[in-house]
Amino acid sequence: RKEVEQDPGPFNVPEGATVAFNCTYSNSASQSFFWYRQDCRKEPKLLMSVYSSGNEDGRFTAQLNRASQYISLLIRDSKLSDSATYLCVVKGGGSSNTGKLIFGQGTTLQVKP
Amino acid sequence: ETGVTQSPTHLIKTRGQQVTLRCSSQSGHNTVSWYQQALGQGPQFIFQYYREEENGRGNFPPRFSGLQFPNYSSELNVNALELDDSALYLCASSLSAGVTGELFFGEGSRLTVL
Repeated sequence: RKEVEQDPGPFNVPEGATVAFNCTYSNSASQSFFWYRQDCRKEPKLLMSVYSSGNEDGRFTAQLNRASQYISLLIRDSKLSDSATYLCVVKGGGSSNTGKLIFGQGTTLQVKP
Repeated sequence: ETGVTQSPTHLIKTRGQQVTLRCSSQSGHNTVSWYQQALGQGPQFIFQYYREEENGRGNFPPRFSGLQFPNYSSELNVNALELDDSALYLCASSLSAGVTGELFFGEGSRLTVL
């Protein structure tokens, strides 16, 4: 079983749609959670951290359910520029000082005009 | 953009050869991590260097080795290349062993092994 699992998609949505991505993780001792974004043939970049209380950044909302070991990302009013791969990322659960990040496979989003 | 630079950007090797990839970290960052990203997959952690010492290693064989220099730049060396080593190799820098979880990635070195 993979440590972080995501539906790879692709998700094809029209502009203006709301789309949700989900992710599960296997290590209950994991400490920190993130969504990274990766454009085609580019490097990953941090999109947002994910907190138990849920957090929002503009059109993007992230949620964490520790009991279910489940992370989500909601994108409202999708833009063409949102087309990318979204990587669910988990940190920790082992030696505290290692900044090892565990990435999911990524979910590909294609927003169509 | 991130201030992390990697070289070379692309290279082609044959099975059994050795390769060295280089990374210059963002100014002020003392930690460098290396990741391997195969096509269609997420990045996989190879190892991390913090103040010139290896500080964590993923599930990669010993033929993957690294170094970090006093200026915090880093090298990834891979010996006895195999076809499955073909991937994008990403270097990421961070402050204080990546405690916050935000890594700043370079654009990567794309390795093809024939």
